[in-house]
Amino acid sequence: DQQVKQNSPSLSVQEGRISILNCDYTNSMFDYFLWYKKYPAEGPTFLISISSIKDKNEDGRFTVFLNKSAKHLSLHIVPSQPGDSAVYFCAALPSGGGADGLTFGKGTHLIIQP
Amino acid sequence: EAQVTQNPRYLITVTGKKLTVTCSQNMNHEYMSWYRQDPGLGLRQIYYSMNVEVTDKGDVPEGYKVSRKEKRNFPLILESPSPNQTSLYFCASSFDRPGPNNSPLHFGNGTRLTVT
Repeated sequence: DQQVKQNSPSLSVQEGRISILNCDYTNSMFDYFLWYKKYPAEGPTFLISISSIKDKNEDGRFTVFLNKSAKHLSLHIVPSQPGDSAVYFCAALPSGGGADGLTFGKGTHLIIQP
Repeated sequence: EAQVTQNPRYLITVTGKKLTVTCSQNMNHEYMSWYRQDPGLGLRQIYYSMNVEVTDKGDVPEGYKVSRKEKRNFPLILESPSPNQTSLYFCASSFDRPGPNNSPLHFGNGTRLTVT
């Protein structure tokens, strides 16, 4: 049973527009969420995170929104740039941190078109 | 430069031939972990280590071994590789176990393993 779901395998967005990547989770014990970005032939790199005590966290062009009641989070990228083309992974941790690591979604391939 | 280094980057081997994928980090991180990435399955944790001589199973440990004799190194060992272990493997590390008050995981660039 997949606990972190990214239901869109790919997303195509025009340069300059907003990219919205979605993530749903089923485990109510999750209370810390992260987004990682991955380019081909490289490892994932940390992008932004949010704790359940917040509903929004912003870092430059990147904003993550958390809706705990819906068990849903989203990553907004505004404006989208060609360098944003990558695979984005949503990840989650239970309360108290996770000795056994992050639970990842399957990833969404974002393609920014010129 | 702070980094997690995996070797080799690419490896093709045959069923049953023991192999080791090395992982080294130069950030004095206590926590290290191995993940595998498969199409349609995302990243799944194989093993992790909280500190030297402390290792634990992740979600998919079958067919793998690890060791943590030194803080900086965390090799992944496949004693008898099988084709279902064909995958993209990532080593990762952080100062402490993942959590909201801790630094995020740093990943290596991956090892693409093919077992025929």
